[in-house]
Amino acid sequence: DAKTTQPPSMDCAEGRAANLPCNHSTISGNEYVYWYRQIHSQGPQYIIHGLKNNETNEMASLIITEDRKSSTLILPHATLRDTAVYYCIVIKTSYDKVIFGPGTSLSVIP
Amino acid sequence: GAVVSQHPSRVICKSGTSVKIECRSLDFQATTMFWYRQFPKQSLMLMATSNEGSKATYEQGVEKDKFLINHASLTLSTLTVTSAHPEDSSFYICSARRASGGAINEQFFGPGTRLTVL
Repeated sequence: DAKTTQPPSMDCAEGRAANLPCNHSTISGNEYVYWYRQIHSQGPQYIIHGLKNNETNEMASLIITEDRKSSTLILPHATLRDTAVYYCIVIKTSYDKVIFGPGTSLSVIP
Repeated sequence: GAVVSQHPSRVICKSGTSVKIECRSLDFQATTMFWYRQFPKQSLMLMATSNEGSKATYEQGVEKDKFLINHASLTLSTLTVTSAHPEDSSFYICSARRASGGAINEQFFGPGTRLTVL
């Protein structure tokens, strides 16, 4: 399975867009990019996933580069409640195990 | 929809006792459930994969005799920490995978159980 690389931490001002990068340079053609987040002392929460097209839902947008070697999760208007650890994970099929890396700790600052 | 619950949310036990944690998928059937462990300031570590009606598959380094997993129905998996010791104190999280029939990996996580062994 492809591995991912994320910055360990980021800050974002409240109300501004939070852009969280992820590198997955060894991703193969049939692997999806998934994003989860974990608020302190809670279980992980699914955010969004994509294969090669950009995706948007009520929580976030996912921008995947044309070569699929990296992606960016965008929280358009970050709030204090978005403070969490964000995990970028590459998954091949519906039967893959979800393996978490260290993720990015996002702090939204008032 | 797609809610996963865990019980209890917190448990404190004495060293040497056994503790059972339940994971339930409330509104869907899950042929596969997963158990994770998370130590403070660390990421989630996958412990085992639990398939309904069959033996669990443990990740390398996880003692199967210490962490007993039972997946007796399509909505319930249990993790029993046997002869718990202080080093077993951790945040235990389960997840349940909903069969989607396609390529999408629909895995939903429980809220976690905080185990403290005195």
